[in-house]
Amino acid sequence: NAGVTQTPKFQVLKTGQSMTLQCAQDMNHNSMYWYRQDPGMGLRLIYYSASEGTTDKGEVPNGYNVSRLNKREFSLRLESAAPSQTSVYFCASSAATSGGDNEQFFGPGTRLTVL
Amino acid sequence: AQKITQTQPGMFVQEKEAVTLDCTYDTSDPSYGLFWYKQPSSGEMIFLIYQGSYDQQNATEGRYSLNFQKARKSANLVISASQLGDSAMYFCAMRPFYTGRRALTFGSGTRLQVQP
Repeated sequence: NAGVTQTPKFQVLKTGQSMTLQCAQDMNHNSMYWYRQDPGMGLRLIYYSASEGTTDKGEVPNGYNVSRLNKREFSLRLESAAPSQTSVYFCASSAATSGGDNEQFFGPGTRLTVL
Repeated sequence: AQKITQTQPGMFVQEKEAVTLDCTYDTSDPSYGLFWYKQPSSGEMIFLIYQGSYDQQNATEGRYSLNFQKARKSANLVISASQLGDSAMYFCAMRPFYTGRRALTFGSGTRLQVQP
């Protein structure tokens, strides 16, 4: 039981390049999330998927797209990377978005640098 | 919309002493959950404790307890008998149960350093 996995762990891009961050969970969770963490700050929500087939914007969605490929996988794409997107990206999952004690389980993070 | 405020950027505590990390929140949702996460220098996010807005008793998990004061909108984390391994960033977060964007909103965190 690996929990939430993310690839890659580290990535360096040049401005204007594109890439996709991959996330998968093996806990049969319905809901998945992408957050970014900038230095000295808490995590901010980029996009989330309440269930397979649905996605919604979070607090900072500009410059990103997502795909909920199936129940297990939720990818984040940067179409044209910018230095402002240098950050650590976390994927998370939870059993559901509604109700009470739905703890979010986090992946190990992807450290992205855009030059 | 929800907002979490953590006013202590950094805290020091002596090993074996107790420490309280402050968290206040703002929400118009009647039902919500409050969470604390630990982020060690290795970077992963580790869930510590959860408190539901309708829970009558304060949550406890081992050496962690959550001092929940609903009227004051505060959800402070208390760590008893601090250990060197408790040195980390600590984030308070909340999520409404049924309305709006049902993902976590995080505070800016408190860096705790435990001194021997």
